[in-house]
Amino acid sequence: DTEVTQTPKHLVMGMTNKKSLKCEQHMGHRAMYWYKQKAKKPPELMFVYSYEKLSINESVPSRFSPECPNSSLLNLHLHALQPEDSALYLCASSQGRRDYGYTFGSGTRLTVV
Amino acid sequence: GQQVMQIPQYQHVQEGEDFTTYCNSSTTLSNIQWYKQRPGGHPVFLIQLVKSGEVKKQKRLTFQFGEAKKNSSLHITATQTTDVGTYFCADLNSGGSNYKLTFGKGTLLTVNP
Repeated sequence: DTEVTQTPKHLVMGMTNKKSLKCEQHMGHRAMYWYKQKAKKPPELMFVYSYEKLSINESVPSRFSPECPNSSLLNLHLHALQPEDSALYLCASSQGRRDYGYTFGSGTRLTVV
Repeated sequence: GQQVMQIPQYQHVQEGEDFTTYCNSSTTLSNIQWYKQRPGGHPVFLIQLVKSGEVKKQKRLTFQFGEAKKNSSLHITATQTTDVGTYFCADLNSGGSNYKLTFGKGTLLTVNP
């Protein structure tokens, strides 16, 4: 299995809702990432998990809460989002070493209404 | 933090013409990765360059890393409509055991058949 699977593919949520994005990989990768991508912009790093521990938080607002239940799963819990949080949320994984590229999932396209 | 500048922002070519995108950094890069993102898709890893002056080829794609490791380029020979997409260079920063991939702004390539 050489894929990163993200669910759901599309999500529409209200500003008072709580929802979760899910990401799964079975490549044995030890690092997992959440990126946010707005239209016509590059992906922006949000969080890095290394060996199931949060190692980087790029000053992301607390309405985004990541969770890594085990080495194959990564969640992003969403609460009280704003319309400007609408974006494509990409999960990625890597070996966590310098000599390997990242494998990205196909993303969750989030719309906050 | 370190920023990688990428030019041009957009490039429109006729099928069969060549295409080049450039990345530049004011500081020395440890290594650089290249990704392609098709319209509506997710980033897909193409290659990583590590050594000063390194040149790598993948069929019609040629990747170069500058001698000073401050710039990199991707050249596509004889473009095809399947080459359409945004090409990102990305700098892989390391800090201890953490790896942080930061993307350039990308070059959107469109190909007229």
